[in-house]
Amino acid sequence: GQQLNQSPQSMFIQEGEDVSMNCTSSSIFNTWLWYKQDPGEGPVLLIALYKAGELTSNGRLTAQFGITRKDSFLNISASIPSDVGIYFCAGQPQGGSEKLVFGKGTKLTVNP
Amino acid sequence: GAGVSQTPSNKVTEKGKYVELRCDPISGHTALYWYRQSLGQGPEFLIYFQGTGAADDSGLPNDRFFAVRPEGSVSTLKIQRTERGDSAVYLCASSTGRGRGGDEQFFGPGTRLTVL
Repeated sequence: GQQLNQSPQSMFIQEGEDVSMNCTSSSIFNTWLWYKQDPGEGPVLLIALYKAGELTSNGRLTAQFGITRKDSFLNISASIPSDVGIYFCAGQPQGGSEKLVFGKGTKLTVNP
Repeated sequence: GAGVSQTPSNKVTEKGKYVELRCDPISGHTALYWYRQSLGQGPEFLIYFQGTGAADDSGLPNDRFFAVRPEGSVSTLKIQRTERGDSAVYLCASSTGRGRGGDEQFFGPGTRLTVL
């Protein structure tokens, strides 16, 4: 089935540093999404990307939908302690279904 | 509250038993989704409803899993003859169901199922 390869698996950074994570796929996705999940809660949408090449920002977060429609990255600038959590990329595959395919997540730890 | 709610928050059962997990979507949302999240993994799609009907059930792993949404609001995920491998967090999400692609899915906190 369709899979998203997300990297890195985990990151340990100092407060104030920038962070970058990415997702790749062997198949085309119509939409790319980035979610954050805190312990005991469901994922919360951070950024949604709908067009190939699209670059979108949400505060300190920036994400891009790759030209080939098979990849996306998320950057977090000037990290703060509350950025701690697990970040997931997700894609909506071609075919008309509204289902999402998720990556395995990037666990972010920010040291104050 | 205004968000997606799921009950119970935790369920412990024995191998072979039947369980039901409930999801209350955001009021007015016509689309409802079920995902399963194993430890250290991302959510894995199971089934989604548009109104009362299952629009895509391709993620249900086998015929022990079944979901209903009889009135187009609350949904119940039913698992028969539970196995230890069914242990996971079961997440429910809902969206407005406009179907234009990328319609934001709002997730509930999940039900943690443990099969002993």
